[in-house]
Amino acid sequence: EAGVAQSPRYKIIEKRQSVAFWCNPISGHATLYWYQQILGQGPKLLIQFQNNGVVDDSQLPKDRFSAERLKGVDSTLKIQPAKLEDSAVYLCASSLDAGGFAEQYFGPGTRLTVT
Amino acid sequence: SQQGEEDPQALSIQEGENATMNCSYKTSINNLQWYRQNSGRGLVHLILIRSNEREKHSGRLRVTLDTSKKSSSLLITASRAADTASYFCATDAWGQGAQKLVFGQGTRLTINP
Repeated sequence: EAGVAQSPRYKIIEKRQSVAFWCNPISGHATLYWYQQILGQGPKLLIQFQNNGVVDDSQLPKDRFSAERLKGVDSTLKIQPAKLEDSAVYLCASSLDAGGFAEQYFGPGTRLTVT
Repeated sequence: SQQGEEDPQALSIQEGENATMNCSYKTSINNLQWYRQNSGRGLVHLILIRSNEREKHSGRLRVTLDTSKKSSSLLITASRAADTASYFCATDAWGQGAQKLVFGQGTRLTINP
């Protein structure tokens, strides 16, 4: 079974530039998550999709971050404009079901460096 | 908002020894999960324990849960170099409209040959 795919793996941009990350979840997984992981910390949930609807974006900085999941499959996360503090690894995960009992499968992540 | 906190933040042991990591959380949970993260395989689910369970095993892993103390521990027996990784506990919490997982800060485990 193919895992969660993410691209790019690495990205370096200057502050105030924009960047987009792409995620392809495991086939058949209805729930998709985007996490931000700052060095030395645990992942922090940014947004959770159930099929193509948002169920939780309470920790998404909506003035600069946006995300969409078209047709309930692939998803993109965009940052515009980027700030220095956005430097982190952005992880995409998917699960069969939503909720705390669901085992989440993570992609390799995109390491973003904002200079 | 952070729910779980792991202790210690870093742990270094010799290969073959046992490693114990602890996780404390603040509010009632339905379940607790442990994940491992290393550079080779990324973040991987290890084990899930439900609130009505006290102990669970998976290979060399043993997880305990004490809901009265709001704490959990992960024991890795007979450690190997490949166990070098960061270990995170994650608890379920109600978010905006659904349950979500909230991860702790992690314990960085180093196994020395």
